[in-house]
Amino acid sequence: DGGITQSPKYLFRKEGQNVTLSCEQNLNHDAMYWYRQDPGQGLRLIYYSQIVNDFQKGDIAEGYSVSREKKESFPLTVTSAQKNPTAFYLCASSMRGDEQYFGPGTRLTVT
Amino acid sequence: QKEVEQDPGPLSVPEGAIVSLNCTYSNSAFQYFMWYRQYSRKGPELLMYTYSSGNKEDGRFTAQVDKSSKYISLFIRDSQPSDSATYLCAMKNQAGTALIFGKGTTLSVSS
Repeated sequence: DGGITQSPKYLFRKEGQNVTLSCEQNLNHDAMYWYRQDPGQGLRLIYYSQIVNDFQKGDIAEGYSVSREKKESFPLTVTSAQKNPTAFYLCASSMRGDEQYFGPGTRLTVT
Repeated sequence: QKEVEQDPGPLSVPEGAIVSLNCTYSNSAFQYFMWYRQYSRKGPELLMYTYSSGNKEDGRFTAQVDKSSKYISLFIRDSQPSDSATYLCAMKNQAGTALIFGKGTTLSVSS
């Protein structure tokens, strides 16, 4: 089955801790993206990568970091510098950068 | 003025009704237009993808793009309770890789 997987589905952390969210795709897509979704806010772009070992900041990159060591994987680290980390995090991928396909999401709660 | 405007609703219709969902945008460079459906606590699912102006039909769904008015629509015929979800419009220009999303319209179809 081709698709995008995100793990875990739910994640709970204490304030001050870094946490890494996993995103894997087996669609052979070149580009991968991370979005954050908050109630009433729509989706906001955090980081994106068009090719292995290269990535660019999106609109709200502060407090986040990413790596792209493999084509299939694009993990997102939410650092303690992120002021409001509690949100629904969505990973997406695309072949040519046009239509994007999303994973099931990770709901992060920081207390 | 926001780049993409979408009425959040909620929109409530009876089963079998024709539903019209709309987005307006300000950037005349947008060329690629998408509609996503998102069920509660799930990742967005790509429904329709259109390039430039015109109509595209897929089953009960029709997407329309009017670039002269900077207006896109999604029509759902014979709506079903399973269509109850949040619908997100998204668009991008030719050169950019980031999708710009509307905030989503919540639709409820009652049986």
